[in-house]
Parts: sequence; C-alpha cells; structure tokens
Amino acid sequence: GAVVSQHPSWVICKSGTSVKIECRSLDFQATTMFWYRQFPKQSLMLMATSNEGSKATYEQGVEKDKFLINHASLTLSTLTVTSAHPEDSSFYICSAPLRVPPETQYFGPGTRLLVL
Amino acid sequence: ILNVEQSPQSLHVQEGDSTNFTCSFPSSNFYALHWYRWETAKSPEALFVMTLNGDEKKKGRISATLNTKEGYSYLYIKGSQPEDSATYLCGCSLGKAAGNKLTFGGGTRVLVKP
Repeated sequence: GAVVSQHPSWVICKSGTSVKIECRSLDFQATTMFWYRQFPKQSLMLMATSNEGSKATYEQGVEKDKFLINHASLTLSTLTVTSAHPEDSSFYICSAPLRVPPETQYFGPGTRLLVL
Repeated sequence: ILNVEQSPQSLHVQEGDSTNFTCSFPSSNFYALHWYRWETAKSPEALFVMTLNGDEKKKGRISATLNTKEGYSYLYIKGSQPEDSATYLCGCSLGKAAGNKLTFGGGTRVLVKP
C-alpha cells in the first residue's frame, strides 16, 4: 500500500520557537494533503488542506499565520508552528489521499509536539 | 457542524469472542465513510471506504456495514485475537464537495485479552 512518512516523530521546544513538521508521500504523488491535530482524549480535528502549488485552505478557527503550510512539491507538505506556545502542544498528523475521492487516505505516523 | 460519534469509547474482548461497535453520523448530505485501525505509535491503517447504503465490506475477520438512511455503520471483528487490539476510527465526509475532508469520531479502543 501507499506510504506516508512524517518527521520528526516527536519534538520538544521552548515557548516562542518555531517548529517545522514534514509530511512526505513516499511512493505516490499527492496534490492534496491534510493536516490534523489531536488533543488528549479528543478526535482527530482537521486543521487545513494543503494544496500543491497553491495556498492552503484552513478550517474555521485555525490561524493561518500561526500554522504555516507549504506544499512545494507533489510529495512534500510542511507544517510550521510559528512562535509555539504550550497550548500548541498536541499530536499533529498528516494524510494524503490516493487518486480521487472517496479513495483511501494514507496517514503518516504523526508528530507529538511538546512546548515548554 | 458534522458530528461523528463512536460507541463505545472502549471495550475489552476475550480472545476468540466476536465483537462489534458503532459509528453514527448525520445522514443528510452523506458522501463517504472511512474506517481505520490505529495501533499505538503507528500510522492509522485504512480498512474500508464505504459510500452506498447497504454496503458491506470484509477484510479477513473484520467486516463493516453501512446504513446511510439512518446514519450509522457497524464494524465487526469475528474471533478476536490479541493483534486486533487497537483504536478503530471512523471518518465521514459530508457531500461530494467535501471530497476527502474527513470528520472523525473519537474512536473505539479495543483490547483483546488472551
């Protein structure tokens, strides 16, 4: 099956620093990728849709200046948490769909972010 | 707001027993429902994508049904094994325009006891 990697798997940083998370589709091209966030004991919540070659679209309530998304190639999307604060501590996970809807989405293993 | 709910939140199953659990969703404007199996420290693994009312899909000992009119899907595990222990997630997309944008339930955490 299709494989999506995500790096790093976990990160600890100081408040005020920026953290970049990479999501790569290893054996297929993805014009679209999705970024989700999961707080403890809650559901995966969609943050934004990453579109190759164009701006990302953000879900209501997600600050686009806080969570910068870049989808520079058909296999790589990055999420940068700018000026991270403790409330940004969460589990971030990306996914990429194979072909057209409603095809299967393939997920990365996720990144756990802890902001001190 | 599209609410997807899963019940129960967790369940313990004796090895060899069969079990099932539910994903419910608003039936209006339904487009697709996805089931995933998620083991700790791994990527969620896709199990099924279902779109049509009455769909039934099977993968080994795991199967799923879909009722879009009443807004629910069941996932069944037959003859549970310890390796079936995982969190099972369902995600729903609302309308064709939503495409692959999924709203997820909270998951059902299954623990199979030897």
